[in-house]
Amino acid sequence: AQKVTQAQTEISVVEKEDVTLDCVYETRDTTYYLFWYKQPPSGELVFLIRRNSFDEQNEISGRYSWNFQKSTSSFNFTITASQVVDSAVYFCALSEEAAGNKLTFGGGTRVLVKP
Amino acid sequence: DAEITQSPRHKITETGRQVTLACHQTWNHNNMFWYRQDLGHGLRLIHYSYGVQDTNKGEVSDGYSVSRSNTEDLPLTLESAASSQTSVYFCASSEGTSGTTDTQYFGPGTRLTVL
Repeated sequence: AQKVTQAQTEISVVEKEDVTLDCVYETRDTTYYLFWYKQPPSGELVFLIRRNSFDEQNEISGRYSWNFQKSTSSFNFTITASQVVDSAVYFCALSEEAAGNKLTFGGGTRVLVKP
Repeated sequence: DAEITQSPRHKITETGRQVTLACHQTWNHNNMFWYRQDLGHGLRLIHYSYGVQDTNKGEVSDGYSVSRSNTEDLPLTLESAASSQTSVYFCASSEGTSGTTDTQYFGPGTRLTVL
């Protein structure tokens, strides 16, 4: 069965600090997909990134970067030079190809960026 | 612009009443999903559909039902609302066919309170 663990429930940083969110997953499938979503205080879920299990290349998008390591079953997310607008709950999610398009979410990490 | 909407956005009901939450998407996506979000649990899958007339149970389906009579809509019905069903409900859709793993895009959510 697939499982996603986000061990950090809440992280508090001061603006301009970097913050890394950990995501560890469990799966028996060889083909799977990993996702990150952002949930700002307004409540909607915003898609950030999708990665398949065959693409371990790290990705950078502006101040956001993702580090995918199959050897440790981790898909960590870093916000560089954090801003107050980054304050949100961030969810990591996993979808196994064998299980169709169903997502299994981690419990989420709340990030609070203080000015 | 294509979108996914949910209604109502907020609902208060009483124990034992039947409640239906609406989800409508204009992307012509084949796949639609219902999740509930509770503190400490992230999002959990309730029901999902890969196309018209197709419905499947998710992780926490007891007490809920769905029907898919067209591509655009997947209403979620609580047959007899219970206080344990107080939660925020999210609908999502993805393009895929036969459950292929595409990115899911979420509606704005419905906050349901059962008194």
